[in-house]
Amino acid sequence: EDQVTQSPEALRLQEGESSSLNCSYTVSGLRGLFWYRQDPGKGPEFLFTLYSAGEEKEKERLKATLTKKESFLHITAPKPEDSATYLCAVRAGGGSNYKLTFGKGTLLTVNP
Amino acid sequence: DTEVTQTPKHLVMGMTNKKSLKCEQHMGHRAMYWYKQKAKKPPELMFVYSYEKLSINESVPSRFSPECPNSSLLNLHLHALQPEDSALYLCASSQVQGDGYTFGSGTRLTVV
Repeated sequence: EDQVTQSPEALRLQEGESSSLNCSYTVSGLRGLFWYRQDPGKGPEFLFTLYSAGEEKEKERLKATLTKKESFLHITAPKPEDSATYLCAVRAGGGSNYKLTFGKGTLLTVNP
Repeated sequence: DTEVTQTPKHLVMGMTNKKSLKCEQHMGHRAMYWYKQKAKKPPELMFVYSYEKLSINESVPSRFSPECPNSSLLNLHLHALQPEDSALYLCASSQVQGDGYTFGSGTRLTVV
């Protein structure tokens, strides 16, 4: 069974204090790893897709990286508006290849 | 503004009511999804409609029934729900099954 574990569950940062969120996964044939941002009561907002180990993608203060066992979301000099829950999800090969398996998320709070 | 539109944004219904949630996308995506999300939990897949074929998560009770009138619309019909069905219901679409999803803003459902 596909498993996605995110850590930490919650993270508090001061504005400008860089850090990383972790997403470790166990899947049979990874066909994509996805990062989303979700604000309270809203739908997840797509951030990145990573397909192979060594791949990196950047968007503003966010950078996502991928290894064979985990992905990191690096946040550089965060601002209060970066506060949200960050969700990691994986798509695996096989019969249920339409399914995204989500982790429980990391709640990020950035204090001014 | 999200490119996946869900209506209504909020819905309160009694356990004997029949209601429908609506989802529409105009991105030409060929796959659409319904997810259920409880507070502080990750989204859980309920249904997938892709290339005119419906796939069902077998754990979803029959009081939820999806309908896909055309490739841009996906409805979720609700009947005889239970209070534990109260949640945020998210619709999503993708170009290819399992590709990076675009989520709607969700419908906050409360069953009383």
